[in-house]
Amino acid sequence: SQQGEEDPQALSIQEGENATMNCSYKTSINNLQWYRQNSGRGLVHLILIRSNEREKHSGRLRVTLDTSKKSSSLLITASRAADTASYFCATAGGSNYKLTFGKGTLLTVNP
Amino acid sequence: GAGVSQSPSNKVTEKGKDVELRCDPISGHTALYWYRQSLGQGLEFLIYFQGNSAPDKSGLPSDRFSAERTGGSVSTLTIQRTQQEDSAVYLCASSPSPGQGYEQYFGPGTRLTVT
Repeated sequence: SQQGEEDPQALSIQEGENATMNCSYKTSINNLQWYRQNSGRGLVHLILIRSNEREKHSGRLRVTLDTSKKSSSLLITASRAADTASYFCATAGGSNYKLTFGKGTLLTVNP
Repeated sequence: GAGVSQSPSNKVTEKGKDVELRCDPISGHTALYWYRQSLGQGLEFLIYFQGNSAPDKSGLPSDRFSAERTGGSVSTLTIQRTQQEDSAVYLCASSPSPGQGYEQYFGPGTRLTVT
């Protein structure tokens, strides 16, 4: 079953603009991770935020986590055409190890 | 260093045949995971191995699916009597530890098509 739900399902922006994707989940978590996938193949880990953290930065990425609302957001600043991909949030809960993925947001950055 | 590798990258098989998918995790990673990605179901957890512990098979969709991990390294996912609904991309991942707070490193996947 899908725990995370990304919003929007698809997002199209121009190069240089910022892209914001949201993720909601249902149960308590230990951490939340964001992954990127190109062309429906392997996933690449972007950033992990623990349940006791509220915000985290990595380069052009900014992730927030609101455990009271069971939601997270991923912000990509100054987007590039190469950022075009699907982005998934994934949660790790009581079991700690198996990730439960959302359905993903397809981001298209137009040059 | 080398990442997670999977073979074959693509597999087309006839309904009813058995298939084996292979995963080579990153050297030294003790945890290994299999996921399946299909259009209808998204990304689903299948099975998890950690060291010599009994694997967590809770995500396997039917008894036609099985997996083993030999010597704590290479893993093989076997699907017996394949069905068309088994068509999907099968992704393997590994991590240094099963504990919380560890990212998982994914392989490129095996695209399985059952005709």
